[in-house]
Amino acid sequence: AQTVTQSQPEMSVQEAETVTLSCTYDTSESDYYLFWYKQPPSRQMILVIRQEAYKQQNATENRFSVNFQKAAKSFSLKISDSQLGDAAMYFCAYGGSNYKLTFGKGTLLTVNP
Amino acid sequence: EAGVVQSPRYKIIEKKQPVAFWCNPISGHNTLYWYRQNLGQGPELLIRYENEEAVDDSQLPKDRFSAERLKGVDSTLKIQPAELGDSAVYLCASSGGTGQGINEQYFGPGTRLTVT
Repeated sequence: AQTVTQSQPEMSVQEAETVTLSCTYDTSESDYYLFWYKQPPSRQMILVIRQEAYKQQNATENRFSVNFQKAAKSFSLKISDSQLGDAAMYFCAYGGSNYKLTFGKGTLLTVNP
Repeated sequence: EAGVVQSPRYKIIEKKQPVAFWCNPISGHNTLYWYRQNLGQGPELLIRYENEEAVDDSQLPKDRFSAERLKGVDSTLKIQPAELGDSAVYLCASSGGTGQGINEQYFGPGTRLTVT
């Protein structure tokens, strides 16, 4: 079974600075997807970024980028120029051949003004 | 494009009572998921539908939980009878629209259930 580990229960960053959230996973599959979801206090899960395992190029979406290290099974999220609206719980998720998402326990990000 | 719609947003019931949650997925999404999210945890899959068919219900506690997706669009998740441990947020998600991978799931706002 796949597992996803987020080792940082909480992180904080100053507004306009950069922060990196860590995620590792375990799988025996070679083809899969990885995701970062954001869950603000309002509770709605919002897809931030996705990465296909077969792609070597790291995905980017505006201020959000990932560092995907397939051999190390690592998938970190970098948020540049942090904004107050980035404050939320961030979940790393694995999507494999069974089409379900396996989530980590999340990292609570606080953005300080 | 309208997102995934869920109702109610909040529900408080006494233990042993029944409860039902409703979900309307994004138009054109054939795949629908129900997740349960306990406090301080990530969501965990309960059931996955492909159109009307429940293709993965291995995590659904079938003694008290049931789900249906009539006509392959809306879905209802029911708990009967509810137990204290069922208190959680129940999330619905959908995927599979044009240009999207089946794994790219879009979530509704969830229903927060409190069992007293």
